[in-house]
Amino acid sequence: GNSVTQMEGPVTLSEEAFLTINCTYTATGYPSLFWYVQYPGEGLQLLLKATKADDKGSNKGFEATYRKETTSFHLEKGSVQVSDSAVYFCALDTGRRALTFGSGTRLQVQP
Amino acid sequence: DGGITQSPKYLFRKEGQNVTLSCEQNLNHDAMYWYRQDPGQGLRLIYYSQIVNDFQKGDIAEGYSVSREKKESFPLTVTSAQKNPTAFYLCASSSGQGRQYEQYFGPGTRLTVT
Repeated sequence: GNSVTQMEGPVTLSEEAFLTINCTYTATGYPSLFWYVQYPGEGLQLLLKATKADDKGSNKGFEATYRKETTSFHLEKGSVQVSDSAVYFCALDTGRRALTFGSGTRLQVQP
Repeated sequence: DGGITQSPKYLFRKEGQNVTLSCEQNLNHDAMYWYRQDPGQGLRLIYYSQIVNDFQKGDIAEGYSVSREKKESFPLTVTSAQKNPTAFYLCASSSGQGRQYEQYFGPGTRLTVT
């Protein structure tokens, strides 16, 4: 079946540090890949997506590249801010049913 | 403004009672979904519906029921048969079902059963 594995958190960084959150997946077929962000007490917001191999999704300074050879979709940001503190979810969609989510990674950015 | 609304934001119930969570969307989306989120875990699919008057079980449907009588609405009932109902419940919708369609999420309902 389909599955998504994310690095465990929390990830604690100082403001302006470089961020990487690892995500790897197992899927049948050719999934689309997503990163969602959840702020405390809220629903999920789509951060970025990629629909085919070698696509790069980007938004608000965050980037992730769809790597089929390593089945990965790692999230990166060059300089994090306190306002980036949230839980980040990697997810995939093969189009057959619904999203499959990773367990989430909590990011804490300290001033 | 288009979006998904879930009400109420917080819900408290006694054990043994059924409770219905509301989800409404005005995005004209065909597909709707219910997920459950537990602390430190990802989201797990409860039920989904691709079209009015049709819905399918997800991974953890036991103890839950849904209806889809209108395109805009997809209420979820948590029955007394659900062994551990306390959780954060998220509703989502998408314009179609397929890997190219993005899901939009509501703000969630936190259910506490004592």
